[in-house]
Amino acid sequence: ILNVEQSPQSLHVQEGDSTNFTCSFPSSNFYALHWYRWETAKSPEALFVMTLNGDEKKKGRISATLNTKEGYSYLYIKGSQPEDSATYLCAQADDKIIFGKGTRLHILP
Amino acid sequence: DVKVTQSSRYLVKRTGEKVFLECVQDMDHENMFWYRQDPGLGLRLIYFSYDVKMKEKGDIPEGYSVSREKKERFSLILESASTNQTSMYLCASSLDRSTDTQYFGPGTRLTVL
Repeated sequence: ILNVEQSPQSLHVQEGDSTNFTCSFPSSNFYALHWYRWETAKSPEALFVMTLNGDEKKKGRISATLNTKEGYSYLYIKGSQPEDSATYLCAQADDKIIFGKGTRLHILP
Repeated sequence: DVKVTQSSRYLVKRTGEKVFLECVQDMDHENMFWYRQDPGLGLRLIYFSYDVKMKEKGDIPEGYSVSREKKERFSLILESASTNQTSMYLCASSLDRSTDTQYFGPGTRLTVL
């Protein structure tokens, strides 16, 4: 079974500050890396799907990078806002998709 | 607009009951998934299906079965509910096997007494 690790488990960030967190995954049998945002009382929603080493994706203030050789992806949030408070999940996909346990982000006003 | 629906948001059942959780997607997706989410454990895959009448075990299939008689519907069955199956259950669908985005339903919070 693949082991997808996310760190930190929980994070408190002051509104307006920038932040980042990590997803680590086994680099063998890599096919795709997904990031999802999961807000309380809602369904997880897709942020990015990345497949190539060196990929960088951006959506507004949120961006992600991928290093398949060393088995990690970073998610960056620039200028955190209250609406960014959520759990951020990453998942590695090969034959099936394996989710990490998530990073719970709290934005402090 | 993409839509995955689940039959109930909240469900309370008694130990030993047979429980059906229904999931329907309207996107003509080939693939459907059932997960459970528990505090500190993240999303864990129970079963998935890549085609009608086809099913494959995920990481924690024990105590569950599934049915996919039609492309749009994927049912999760708890043959004899137990208290350790109290959890949040999420259904998802995707067009492709691994590289495509999964679209999630709103979840069913099941409590087994």
